[in-house]
Amino acid sequence: QVQLVQSGAEVKKPGASVKVSCKASGYTFTKYGISWVRQAPGQGLEWMGWISPYNGNTNYRQKFQGRVTLTTDTSSTTAYMDLRSLRSDDTAVYFCALREGWAALVPRNGMDVWGQGTTVSVS
Amino acid sequence: DIQMTQSPSSLSASVGDRVTITCRASHTIDNYLNWYQQKPGRAPKLLLYAASRLQSGVPSRFSGSGSGTDFSLTIASLQPEDFAIYYCQQGYSIPCTFGQGTKLEIK
Repeated sequence: QVQLVQSGAEVKKPGASVKVSCKASGYTFTKYGISWVRQAPGQGLEWMGWISPYNGNTNYRQKFQGRVTLTTDTSSTTAYMDLRSLRSDDTAVYFCALREGWAALVPRNGMDVWGQGTTVSVS
Repeated sequence: DIQMTQSPSSLSASVGDRVTITCRASHTIDNYLNWYQQKPGRAPKLLLYAASRLQSGVPSRFSGSGSGTDFSLTIASLQPEDFAIYYCQQGYSIPCTFGQGTKLEIK
């Protein structure tokens, strides 16, 4: 079955960078776009951006423009989220997610496969 | 960005109750409205998409309705495993946005 497995928890200092990985399995990696969503402690869900593993096209939420880079490695079927210039308010759980059967940018019908989440703590 | 507003923010109910959560979009989103359930320490789980379509494997006690700007999620008869936080999400335009969540607690 389609599965996303993320890398482990990270602790970073303010100003540092973090790179979270999301290993995909159970499907042809280039078929479905992958979104990244974060959740600060006790807070709601915030969509950060999207990448197409097929052609590398990306779309970033404006507030993260210039600070986040999404990439994929098709040889290892892994997606990456790189967040720079970390601040304390970047402390959150970061999820990768996709809609099985959906390649396009806008998650019209939601995201039905999620990674387990990666906790990033900045202090 | 389209703002999604859920109500109530929290709700106390008993097993067997029927509950409804509403979600309002700041602009029309046709029927591109999705509902998620999240339990502590877990990733969100997609319950319904396109406002009223049940995701595979989700019990039929969950239902959704609405179009345009006003939507609702109804749980027909609450089960113990339904106590969680529920989020709506619009899939009409980028950036996709979520409601602030509704925490469903046991009375």
